Amino acid sequence: EVQLVESGGGSVKPGGSLRLSCAASGFTFRNAWMSWVRQTPGKGLEWVGRIKRKIDGETTDYAAPVKGRFTISRDDSKNTLYLHMSSLKTEDTAVYYCTIDSNYAHLDWGQGTLVIVSS
Amino acid sequence: QSALTQPPSVSGSPGQSVTISCTGTSSDVGSYNRVSWYQQPPGTAPKVMIYEVRNRPSGVPDRFSASKSGNTASLTISGLQAEDEADYYCSSYTSSNTYVFGTGTKVTVL
Repeated sequence: EVQLVESGGGSVKPGGSLRLSCAASGFTFRNAWMSWVRQTPGKGLEWVGRIKRKIDGETTDYAAPVKGRFTISRDDSKNTLYLHMSSLKTEDTAVYYCTIDSNYAHLDWGQGTLVIVSS
Repeated sequence: QSALTQPPSVSGSPGQSVTISCTGTSSDVGSYNRVSWYQQPPGTAPKVMIYEVRNRPSGVPDRFSASKSGNTASLTISGLQAEDEADYYCSSYTSSNTYVFGTGTKVTVL
């Protein structure tokens, strides 16, 4: 059974940093393209960024609002995906989900972790 | 990249059909057959219902169907059931190698 478990969320002040993790199991992690998607409480979904698998160069792409502030990385030896967030803004407050990408869709989702950016 | 445009809400009685539209541009929906649809009941994570415009993952009922014409994609739920009440989002891959989601549609079963 595919499992994605996000962790690392919490409260942080504007300008601060935070690292989210996504522990993966039940599939061959090293072969998967992975994304982070966020959802502001009571609002819609917003794609954050994606990392390809190693044999595809581990290329990353980001949404414009987070480019230059967020970095996605992966550790295939630990089956773990990361989202490094810096220079956080209040508008980054959201539930952050990790997803498995295939066929240009987000096929499996974790349960999400909440990040609150507030002074 | 602006969000794809969806109607805020649609509703129907049990057994009826409802259709949700998703309008983008020639840089996203109109560029590729890379449109997907997600169902999100309250308090849960989204679940993929359709990928690559019209394909259903295993386990998704065939009451859910989808199509695309030009810059607009559509999701149709036939034989509406109470369990279909949820928020629905479309998404498209873009010519910038990014993804964009729709604004979301609340489906209410009357």
